Amino acid sequence: EMQLVESGGGLVQPGGSLKLSCAASGFAFSGSDIHWVRQPSGKGLEGVGRIESKPRNYATKYAASVKGRFTISRDDSKSTTYLQMNSLKVEDTAVYYCAAYVCGSARCGMDVWGQGATVTVAS
Amino acid sequence: QSVLTQPPSVSAAPGQEVTISCSGSSSNIGNHHVSWYQLLPGTSPKVLISENNKRPSGIPDRFSGSKSGTSATLGITGLQTGDEADYYCGVWDNSLSTEVFGGGTKLTVL
Repeated sequence: EMQLVESGGGLVQPGGSLKLSCAASGFAFSGSDIHWVRQPSGKGLEGVGRIESKPRNYATKYAASVKGRFTISRDDSKSTTYLQMNSLKVEDTAVYYCAAYVCGSARCGMDVWGQGATVTVAS
Repeated sequence: QSVLTQPPSVSAAPGQEVTISCSGSSSNIGNHHVSWYQLLPGTSPKVLISENNKRPSGIPDRFSGSKSGTSATLGITGLQTGDEADYYCGVWDNSLSTEVFGGGTKLTVL
């Protein structure tokens, strides 16, 4: 079974830092791009960023709202992706999902999603 | 305000069909494949359609997708009460360098 399991969410004060982890199993993690997507309470989905696979040099892309504050990394030996969040703002409060873009014989898609990690930024 | 535009809500009776539209631009839908996701309360997004019109295994053929120019459409036939959920379109945006999503459409099966 393809699976992503997230950990690391919690409560942090404005200006603080938090690191989320996303551990994969059941699919070829090293060949997959990994996305981070967030959903503030009562609002829609927002792309945070992505990290590409090794053949594409682990390139990273970020949404303007988090660029310079968030960093996505991965450790293929551990099948794990990380989202390091610094200088957190109240508006970063959301459920954060990691998602894997996987390809099969007939199609590709963001088929595997983590269960979500709640990040609350408040004083 | 979302980069992609979806209707806030749609509704129909059980057994009927609905379509949900998603409007974008040349920097996203016009040049990339569109995906559709279903969000049930308290659960993670579930992909229904990727690459504009392809269903993952396990997704019934009641769900279909299409794309034309800078717009995409999700169709659902034979509506069931279990289809009540929020539906989102998603696509890569070249200008923003991130995945962008519509504001979501709440489906009510009356």
